[in-house]
Order: sequence, then C-alpha cells, then structure tokens
Amino acid sequence: AQKVIQVWSTASRQEGEELTLDCSYETSQVLYHLFWYKHLLSGEMVFLIRQMSSSTAKERSGRYSVVFQKSLKSISLVISALQPDDSGKYFCALWELQTGGYKVVFGSGTRLLVSP
Amino acid sequence: EAAVTQSPRSKVAVTGGKVTLSCHQTNNHDYMYWYRQDTGHGLRLIHYSYVADSTEKGDIPDGYKASRPSQENFSLILELASLSQTAVYFCASSERSSNERLFFGHGTKLSVL
Repeated sequence: AQKVIQVWSTASRQEGEELTLDCSYETSQVLYHLFWYKHLLSGEMVFLIRQMSSSTAKERSGRYSVVFQKSLKSISLVISALQPDDSGKYFCALWELQTGGYKVVFGSGTRLLVSP
Repeated sequence: EAAVTQSPRSKVAVTGGKVTLSCHQTNNHDYMYWYRQDTGHGLRLIHYSYVADSTEKGDIPDGYKASRPSQENFSLILELASLSQTAVYFCASSERSSNERLFFGHGTKLSVL
C-alpha cells in the first residue's frame, strides 16, 4: 500500500492564480518529516519546503507555504501568484525512521501546467 | 550547494545484460539513496545506505544490487537487466541529521531493449 498519496496526477492554472496541491500519508512514527520537491524539465529535483511533525508553525518559503493537518495525516502545498515557470511535477515525500536508518518515501507526483 | 553526480546520464542496455549506474557526492553526506521514477508511480526507493560498506533494501529491491564502497560513491547494479527496468533512476544524498532534505542527481535514463 502506498504510504504517500497524491490524488491529483495533473493540475492546470492561469498565471497569477493560487494552487493547493494535496498529499496524504501513512505513518506509525511519532517523529517524521514531510517535504515537497519539484521535478524540473531539466531532470533536476528541487527542494521546496519542509514540515516537521513536531512543529505547529505554518511553514513558508517565498511563494510556497504548507497547510499541515497532523490529525488527518495531510499536508498541502500552496503556491501563490503562479508563474509559468512553476510548471513541473511536484512530489510530496515522507521521512521516517526505520530500523535500517531513515527512509524517504515519495508520492506519485502532480504535474502542474501554468498558462500565461 | 551539495553536488550529486550520476553517470551515465542515459544508457541503452540489452535484456539480460549487466548495467551499473554510478553516483558520486562531494559533501560528506552519510545517507545515499537510489530511486526509480516511472509514470504513475513517482519515485520508488530501491536501495539506500547510511554508512560506507553497508546497504539497505528499500521498497522495490528485487532485481537490483547496491554497493557503497566509500562515503562518496554509491552504485546501483542490474545483474540481468529486464524490460521492466526501463525507467529514470535518481540518486540522492543527505546529511545524518533527521530533518535534512535530499540532494538529487540529475537522473539517469535507462532504456532496456
């Protein structure tokens, strides 16, 4: 069973709009972290933002912010003032500690297209 | 910025042949990972390592071996490549500390014919 689920495989918006990308996860750990990455057309994977399970702060990095609903095991990435360069594939990832060290598990990604 | 270098960038292999994908990082990171990316599946963890000379199985290790001969190098080995192993492979590294992000290589596109 998938541990990190991104329901929407694609999304499209107009420039200037705001978008929320949803992600749900499964874990039995008390301490874990959640990440959002963007996969560029060049092949590069770019780190966007991180949320620690122990943090109640609303994480924000530039135009990126997250909505973390710990009790629902849900984390959403909000991108404001969308630009065409925001087009790409966005991945949600779960870090958790396992017996053999910590593992990072990814969702299947959501491909975003932003039109001018 | 952390540097993770994968080689080759792309490769065409024949079914049943041996394929070795290499990954090199220059930032003294303890953890290294191999993921494969397929349409509809996102990134799936194949093998990972948190110390030299030791590797751990990820979520889809079957058909793959890994080798971590040094802190800087982490290889993924397909002893008998199969059509189903056609994918893009990503190597990543991270620090030991628990909340550190992954640094990715640019990926290797492998086509098995």
